[in-house]
Amino acid sequence: GDSVTQMEGPVTLSEEAFLTINCTYTATGYPSLFWYVQYPGEGLQLLLKATKADDKGSNKGFEATYRKETTSFHLEKGSVQVSDSAVYFCALSGRHSGNTPLVFGKGTRLSVIA
Amino acid sequence: EPEVTQTPSHQVTQMGQEVILRCVPISNHLYFYWYRQILGQKVEFLVSFYNNEISEKSEIFDDQFSVERPDGSNFTLKIRSTKLEDSAMYFCASSEFGTGGSYNEQFFGPGTRLTVL
Repeated sequence: GDSVTQMEGPVTLSEEAFLTINCTYTATGYPSLFWYVQYPGEGLQLLLKATKADDKGSNKGFEATYRKETTSFHLEKGSVQVSDSAVYFCALSGRHSGNTPLVFGKGTRLSVIA
Repeated sequence: EPEVTQTPSHQVTQMGQEVILRCVPISNHLYFYWYRQILGQKVEFLVSFYNNEISEKSEIFDDQFSVERPDGSNFTLKIRSTKLEDSAMYFCASSEFGTGGSYNEQFFGPGTRLTVL
């Protein structure tokens, strides 16, 4: 079945450092790909998404590019802030439309220190 | 801004007891979901619900689990006889319903941590 693998955490970075969180997937067909973020005490929030190969999702300075050839969707940010400290989840939806269950990775905890 | 809420935030129960986890989805949403995350493992889909019936369920969602929308606002997950391995964080989510080509974003609650002793 479909699956998502993301890098193990925790990740600790200094403020203004460059962030990469790796995510690879296995899926039949052409899934949609997502990054969700969970801040302390809150629910998972959609951070960005990409629905087809070579699409780049971006939001709040974060970016991820849908790479079909490497089945990857790595999350990057050029300069992290303390407020980016959270758990980041990579996810996919195996169908393009409607109300489909998400398949998640384990999550990567990011801590940014001043 | 509308949000999904879940109660309680933490539930401790004895093995074999019944538990009910509660969720209040966003008011105009029609599609509801439960996911769970066992500590250190992936977030896993349990069940989706639409129009007062289960739309999809995973192999995890066996006869010990049930879902219900008892009134116009709440969406509940019941575990009839809890096991140690049911200890996990349970997330509720809701989304709009649509048959078009675009993904309907799922909005998640903060989760209920269930501890089975």
